[in-house]
Amino acid sequence: EAQVTQNPRYLITVTGKKLTVTCSQNMNHEYMSWYRQDPGLGLRQIYYSMNVEVTDKGDVPEGYKVSRKEKRNFPLILESPSPNQTSLYFCASSKGIWSGANVLTFGAGSRLTVL
Amino acid sequence: RKEVEQDPGPFNVPEGATVAFNCTYSNSASQSFFWYRQDCRKEPKLLMSVYSSGNEDGRFTAQLNRASQYISLLIRDSKLSDSATYLCVVNLSGGSYIPTFGRGTSLIVHP
Repeated sequence: EAQVTQNPRYLITVTGKKLTVTCSQNMNHEYMSWYRQDPGLGLRQIYYSMNVEVTDKGDVPEGYKVSRKEKRNFPLILESPSPNQTSLYFCASSKGIWSGANVLTFGAGSRLTVL
Repeated sequence: RKEVEQDPGPFNVPEGATVAFNCTYSNSASQSFFWYRQDCRKEPKLLMSVYSSGNEDGRFTAQLNRASQYISLLIRDSKLSDSATYLCVVNLSGGSYIPTFGRGTSLIVHP
């Protein structure tokens, strides 16, 4: 089944404890991205990657890192989480960025709480 | 001004009603437009792409008005299962690629 898989789905952690949220897609998609969703603010893009070893900042990159060493994986790293990073996180991918190929497929989401 | 704006609702409608949502965007260079559906605490899923000529998929019709910079979604014969949040997404093609999401419009269909 074509899908985007995120782990963990739920995580409670404490301020400053490094964590990684994994994201993997099995559709050979070029483009991958991370979003956070907060009440009243909608979905905001954190980072995106248009191909292996190519990553760029989205709207809200502060406090996050990403890497794209392989096409299928795009982990989101919080080096020193803070309570304002408590949010619902989504990973998404698409075949490409051109019209006709830029439909996003989302993972099921990761709910992160930072105490 | 936010780049993509939607009325958050909620729109409360009875089963069988017709309901329409609009979404306005500020960047006239926007190239791709979509409607996504999001159920509570679940991931967004593509409902339909929006084409310049307008397009229809069953009870759903999407239209694009480039001159006034808005897209619309019309749902006919609403079902209880249509209750969800509908997200408008606008993309610029080429260069940096940051799809811009509206905050969503909540629809509640009641018996």
